[in-house]
Amino acid sequence: AQSVTQLDSQVPVFEEAPVELRCNYSSSVSVYLFWYVQYPNQGLQLLLKYLSGSTLVESINGFEAEFNKSQTSFHLRKPSVHISDTAEYFCAVDRTGRRALTFGSGTRLQVQP
Amino acid sequence: DADVTQTPRNRITKTGKRIMLECSQTKGHDRMYWYRQDPGLGLRLIYYSFDVKDINKGEISDGYSVSRQAQAKFSLSLESAIPNQTALYFCATSDPRQGWEQYFGPGTRLTVT
Repeated sequence: AQSVTQLDSQVPVFEEAPVELRCNYSSSVSVYLFWYVQYPNQGLQLLLKYLSGSTLVESINGFEAEFNKSQTSFHLRKPSVHISDTAEYFCAVDRTGRRALTFGSGTRLQVQP
Repeated sequence: DADVTQTPRNRITKTGKRIMLECSQTKGHDRMYWYRQDPGLGLRLIYYSFDVKDINKGEISDGYSVSRQAQAKFSLSLESAIPNQTALYFCATSDPRQGWEQYFGPGTRLTVT
């Protein structure tokens, strides 16, 4: 079985400050890793993903995440957040070949002016 | 037009009633999924289907059934709704040939009184 742990349910941060949203997973086999974002009253959108290759992946809006196999982590970071980044962020894992995603419980990022 | 649509967007129903949530997609994907979202629990997989003849239970399928009427349509039914099925329900699609990303519908907010 695999599980995904997002250690922080809420992260308040001031605009232009850096932020890190933590994600750890448990799996004994290779995985694909994803971060999804959910803006208020909307569905989920893919933010970034790791399938293979470089362990550092980036999104078009300045977020990045690093796959750390030894620590089974895939933390999401942004060096300077904007008000518009306020949303809920979900980490998800797909054990390669398992055919479906397992989601973490989500982290609500609240960016304050 | 949205690639993944869900109807209805909001529904209030009474305990014991049968209700169907519908999902349609124009992305041409074979894989479709139903999730429910509850505060603090993230998204949990109810059922998934990899083609019209392949339907699988997810982690919380009890009390739910599904029908894959065509490649583009995947319906979720609650045969006898109960209050703890009050949640936000999402449909999603994916195609592994296009990078394993899941595309989500806007969600259906279901309230069972």
